[in-house]
Amino acid sequence: ETGVTQSPTHLIKTRGQQVTLRCSSQSGHNTVSWYQQALGQGPQFIFQYYREEENGRGNFPPRFSGLQFPNYSSELNVNALELDDSALYLCASSTGMETQYFGPGTRLLVL
Amino acid sequence: AQSVTQLGSHVSVSEGALVLLRCNYSSSVPPYLFWYVQYPNQGLQLLLKYTSAATLVKGINGFEAEFKKSETSFHLTKPSAHMSDAAEYFCAVSDGGSSNTGKLIFGQGTTLQVKP
Repeated sequence: ETGVTQSPTHLIKTRGQQVTLRCSSQSGHNTVSWYQQALGQGPQFIFQYYREEENGRGNFPPRFSGLQFPNYSSELNVNALELDDSALYLCASSTGMETQYFGPGTRLLVL
Repeated sequence: AQSVTQLGSHVSVSEGALVLLRCNYSSSVPPYLFWYVQYPNQGLQLLLKYTSAATLVKGINGFEAEFKKSETSFHLTKPSAHMSDAAEYFCAVSDGGSSNTGKLIFGQGTTLQVKP
């Protein structure tokens, strides 16, 4: 059974650019949640996708958007990058509201 | 609104000593509670979870936690620390799906240092 995978592992962008992060959910899971973890902080909920529909959103601006595909993999897109977007982005998959299992994360640095 | 407070951003213990990491929560609905561990440059690994069954929950690597509703606490313990336990520990609360997301609210984390 394959766990949650994320790509890329690291990414460097400049302010104003756009970025796409990818997540493959664990086999059998139909729900993907995205979290942002700033340095020295706990993860913050960005949004969740369930069966290809957004199913809840945290306190993040609209320039954070996402997609979920029929195979339940997911993308997180961030437009107009700001310096404060530098963080570890974590994807977690689950079966509905059950326990969330996390991937290794993508570390984004915005210069 | 739900929230989590982890008391102590850094905890240092000697190898073989008791580990106690404190977590208090606030929730207007019966909570689901979790402890996750994060090793350097890695994602989060689930240690254990409480979902309204037994109040004493056993997890991986010898860790356990006790849900105390009267104290709104869910402290993590391990009888004997090992060097490999050095990591960042996060307590998290979920509404169990009553908001239809089951999103996790995390504490700020506690760094556990284990001294030889």
